[in-house]
Amino acid sequence: ETGVTQTPRHLVMGMTNKKSLKCEQHLGHNAMYWYKQSAKKPLELMFVYSLEERVENNSVPSRFSPECPNSSHLFLHLHTLQPEDSALYLCASSQDEGASSYEQYFGPGTRLTVT
Amino acid sequence: GQNIDQPTEMTATEGAIVQINCTYQTSGFNGLFWYQQHAGEAPTFLSYNVLDGLEEKGRFSSFLSRSKGYSYLLLKELQMKDSASYLCAVKDSNYQLIWGAGTKLIIKP
Repeated sequence: ETGVTQTPRHLVMGMTNKKSLKCEQHLGHNAMYWYKQSAKKPLELMFVYSLEERVENNSVPSRFSPECPNSSHLFLHLHTLQPEDSALYLCASSQDEGASSYEQYFGPGTRLTVT
Repeated sequence: GQNIDQPTEMTATEGAIVQINCTYQTSGFNGLFWYQQHAGEAPTFLSYNVLDGLEEKGRFSSFLSRSKGYSYLLLKELQMKDSASYLCAVKDSNYQLIWGAGTKLIIKP
């Protein structure tokens, strides 16, 4: 495996379910990110981890709970979601969280539908 | 507030040239990025500008004017595979990426 991988690619869940999204990066990067992408809207940064420590939480509802057990893996735990949470959830990584020039590498995303 | 503006959609002809503009208002500036995103796929990095001027990379070039808060992505010799969304993003004073909503580029034969 190379780059950034995400599983599952598609997920349909009811509002009372609990599920988890998984992200793995094979690039040796120190920073990992969760984004939400909704149609015709800018990417919304949800969480940032640098060296396994959370450094950013952009006022995300508590029904989204991140976990970073090591620098290669990132999870997003979901519970009691709302239909408006349906979106594409993208994971990304970069060499360093604070440097200017390091680009982010994205995974293919998980298409989430909440029914 | 922080804001990135880019056109929602553009159409161009195969073989032609297209310029996608991006204007920004952010708290601080630590570089501007362009990404390409094909439908149903991950965004992929195209270019990075931190100093004023033009950066050329094959058929793609990116220009930056920090005093005007303005950038453009220039695509030459358009190919059908260039049909995609193009995302502009700026790193602010906290090194956080602020994203535009993207420009959907449609290439016609």
